[in-house]
Amino acid sequence: EVQLVESGGGLVKPGGSLRLSCAASGFTFSSYSMNWVRQAPGKGLEWVSSISSSSSYIYYADSVKGRFTISRDNAKNSLYLQMNSLRAEDTAVYYCARLIAVAGTEMARWFDPWGQGTLVTVSS
Amino acid sequence: QSVLTQPPSASGTPGQRVTISCSGSSSNIGSNTVNWYQQLPGTAPKLLIYSNNQRPSGVPDRFSGSKSGTSASLAISGLQSEDEADYYCAAWDDSLNGPWVFGGGTKLTVL
Repeated sequence: EVQLVESGGGLVKPGGSLRLSCAASGFTFSSYSMNWVRQAPGKGLEWVSSISSSSSYIYYADSVKGRFTISRDNAKNSLYLQMNSLRAEDTAVYYCARLIAVAGTEMARWFDPWGQGTLVTVSS
Repeated sequence: QSVLTQPPSASGTPGQRVTISCSGSSSNIGSNTVNWYQQLPGTAPKLLIYSNNQRPSGVPDRFSGSKSGTSASLAISGLQSEDEADYYCAAWDDSLNGPWVFGGGTKLTVL
């Protein structure tokens, strides 16, 4: 069974740091790009960051650029998100998601599956 | 404010057909495929429709997707109580703001 399990969330003070992890199983992790998507309480989904299968391509949302760092360890089938200089507006459930990409008449891309999420609360 | 525009709410009675719209621009929906995700209360999002109109295995054929120009739609026919959830559209975006954009989500209520 393809599965993603996040961990590392918790309560942190503004300006603090936190490192999230996502453990993958049931598929060849090293063959897929991975993503972090977050959801603030009562709000919609917001894409945070993407990393290609070999870490060659990395993207960040403007809202986290310069503060968050995405990385992966293919030997450990794990995805990470190092979050520094945290702000109250970073409070959210953070999901990791696998990217599926299929080339056809046009490139089709989608997230599947998603992990269960880990809650990050930034508060003093 | 989300890059893709969805109505915040939709509703229908059991058995009805409901549609949810998703409006974007030439850099996202206009030039890339659209996906839809279903988020049941208290759970993680789940893939519902990919590549505009494809259903993953296990998704009932009551759910269908379509795309035209810079807009997309999700249709749910034969509405059931278990369809009550939040629905999000998403697309790759070719602009410099970031590769992925989401709609703000539509809360579907089954009356």
